[in-house]
Amino acid sequence: DVKVTQSSRYLVKRTGEKVFLECVQDMDHENMFWYRQDPGLGLRLIYFSYDVKMKEKGDIPEGYSVSREKKERFSLILESASTNQTSMYLCASSFGGALKGNTIYFGEGSWLTVV
Amino acid sequence: AQSVTQLDSQVPVFEEAPVELRCNYSSSVSVYLFWYVQYPNQGLQLLLKYLSGSTLVKSINGFEAEFNKSQTSFHLRKPSVHISDTAEYFCAVSDIGGYQKVTFGIGTKLQVIP
Repeated sequence: DVKVTQSSRYLVKRTGEKVFLECVQDMDHENMFWYRQDPGLGLRLIYFSYDVKMKEKGDIPEGYSVSREKKERFSLILESASTNQTSMYLCASSFGGALKGNTIYFGEGSWLTVV
Repeated sequence: AQSVTQLDSQVPVFEEAPVELRCNYSSSVSVYLFWYVQYPNQGLQLLLKYLSGSTLVKSINGFEAEFNKSQTSFHLRKPSVHISDTAEYFCAVSDIGGYQKVTFGIGTKLQVIP
């Protein structure tokens, strides 16, 4: 089975702190994604990566950055956390290449509360 | 740009009754369409998808969805729901060209009432 593992299920951080959310996948997927999920807003794409060291902005990249130094690992960074970044963060991965209809596999999510 | 509209945020239904969760999309190009399900305290998992060919696609647990290009819809149906179907369901669309950028709807919470 494909496994997407997010390092922390629940985090509480203070305003202004730098926050790292880590994600690892074990299926050699080219694509990796970070979404945030909020009630009434569904899933919104923050960043995605289609290869090592490559990244593309999603729909809501402001206040976030990402790092992909190894194929299996994709990190989301909040440089200076703010209360409006309190949310559920979902990491996901999929095969790349020509088949754009590939299934996206999700981690279980990280609940981040910024106080 | 692509977008997805899920018209119902919550759908309560009695056990063994049929259900339809509605999804409409917009895109200027050809698309792939997906339904994902999220059980409580879990991430999303694929329920079914339409890529090409037959417009009716089915999942292993009795759900089905039909791609209707003229109405730009991809509604999800099940003839008889079970308690275990209680979850949030997300419709999603991906343009066929370019990188795999998938746009999700806001989700529909299906509550099955015993």
